[in-house]
Amino acid sequence: ETGVTQSPTHLIKTRGQQVTLRCSSQSGHNTVSWYQQALGQGPQFIFQYYREEENGRGNFPPRFSGLQFPNYSSELNVNALELDDSALYLCASSLATGGNGYTFGSGTRLTVV
Amino acid sequence: AQSVTQLDSQVPVFEEAPVELRCNYSSSVSVYLFWYVQYPNQGLQLLLKYLSGSTLVKGINGFEAEFNKSQTSFHLRKPSVHISDTAEYFCAVSSTSMDSNYQLIWGAGTKLIIKP
Repeated sequence: ETGVTQSPTHLIKTRGQQVTLRCSSQSGHNTVSWYQQALGQGPQFIFQYYREEENGRGNFPPRFSGLQFPNYSSELNVNALELDDSALYLCASSLATGGNGYTFGSGTRLTVV
Repeated sequence: AQSVTQLDSQVPVFEEAPVELRCNYSSSVSVYLFWYVQYPNQGLQLLLKYLSGSTLVKGINGFEAEFNKSQTSFHLRKPSVHISDTAEYFCAVSSTSMDSNYQLIWGAGTKLIIKP
């Protein structure tokens, strides 16, 4: 059973640029969630995808967008990067049946300069 | 809506001593409860979960937690900690209702610091 894989592991971008982060979900999982974790804080929910549709969104502006593909892998896109977007971005996959918990990837560390 | 409070931002404890990390939640609906651990520069790993049934839940690495519905708590315990337990621990809840899409609501985390 493969786990959740995220790429890249680290990234440095300039303010105003755009970035795409990628996530391969655990085998058999059909739901993917993305979280932003700023230094010293807990994860903040960005959005969740189930069967290629967004089915939940946290308090993040529209410049944060995503996609889920037929193989349940996912992308997180952030446009017009701001310095405050510097954080660890975590992807988690699960079965959409509740109670199973989420399997997390190791994250992508994004630094905006 | 749910909320999670982790009462201690840091807990220092000597190696081989017992530890309890506290978690309280607020919810108007029934919930699933989780503890995750995050080692430095890594993602989050599920330690244990409470879905239903026995209120004492055993997890990995010798950790256990007890669900107390009347006190709306889900405290994490380990009888004897090791230096390798140094990490940040997060408590999370989700509604049991499909309408919620089982989104996780997170506490702010507790750093467990093991002193030699």
